[in-house]
Amino acid sequence: KQEVTQIPAALSVPEGENLVLNCSFTDSAIYNLQWFRQDPGKGLTSLLLIQSSQREQTSGRLNASLDKSSGRSTLYIAASQPGDSATYLCAVNNRGSNDYKLSFGAGTTVTVRA
Amino acid sequence: EAGVAQSPRYKIIEKRQSVAFWCNPISGHATLYWYQQILGQGPKLLIQFQNNGVVDDSQLPKDRFSAERLKGVDSTLKIQPAKLEDSAVYLCASSREFTGELFFGEGSRLTVL
Repeated sequence: KQEVTQIPAALSVPEGENLVLNCSFTDSAIYNLQWFRQDPGKGLTSLLLIQSSQREQTSGRLNASLDKSSGRSTLYIAASQPGDSATYLCAVNNRGSNDYKLSFGAGTTVTVRA
Repeated sequence: EAGVAQSPRYKIIEKRQSVAFWCNPISGHATLYWYQQILGQGPKLLIQFQNNGVVDDSQLPKDRFSAERLKGVDSTLKIQPAKLEDSAVYLCASSREFTGELFFGEGSRLTVL
């Protein structure tokens, strides 16, 4: 069974600092990995999707890396802003016998101080 | 394109009552998911549909939860009777196919008193 862990559970940084969010998973036979953002009381917004064949994916100030062999993904947010304050979740897609299963981490709650 | 639509956004009921949530996925998305998210935790899959067939409902408490997806489009999740521990946000998501990018709705927050 896939276990997805996100450490730390919470993070507080001053505005302008770079953010590094970690996601680790126990089963490296993944199909893809997706990073989401969740604002309080809202649904999840997709940020980046990394296929298993990719090493990284970039979108604006966001960069996500994937190291399947070590079971890790890292989300980097450059030059953080107060608007980046949210909970960030990673989800790992594994191939089952006849379907795909998505496993979520519990998330890292980020506060960017102005 | 329009996103995943869910209703109601909020619902407060007493234990043993029933409740139903509705989801309309993104047009053309064959796969639809219902997740339960308890405060402070990641979403937990309740049921996954491919078109109007169930792919995975292994974590759905079938004695009280039911879900259907008529005509492979809209879906309804029902809880009857509700328990206190059902208090959570119920998230609907859809994707073009099994392995595609997931898109979530705003969620339906349930409080059971």
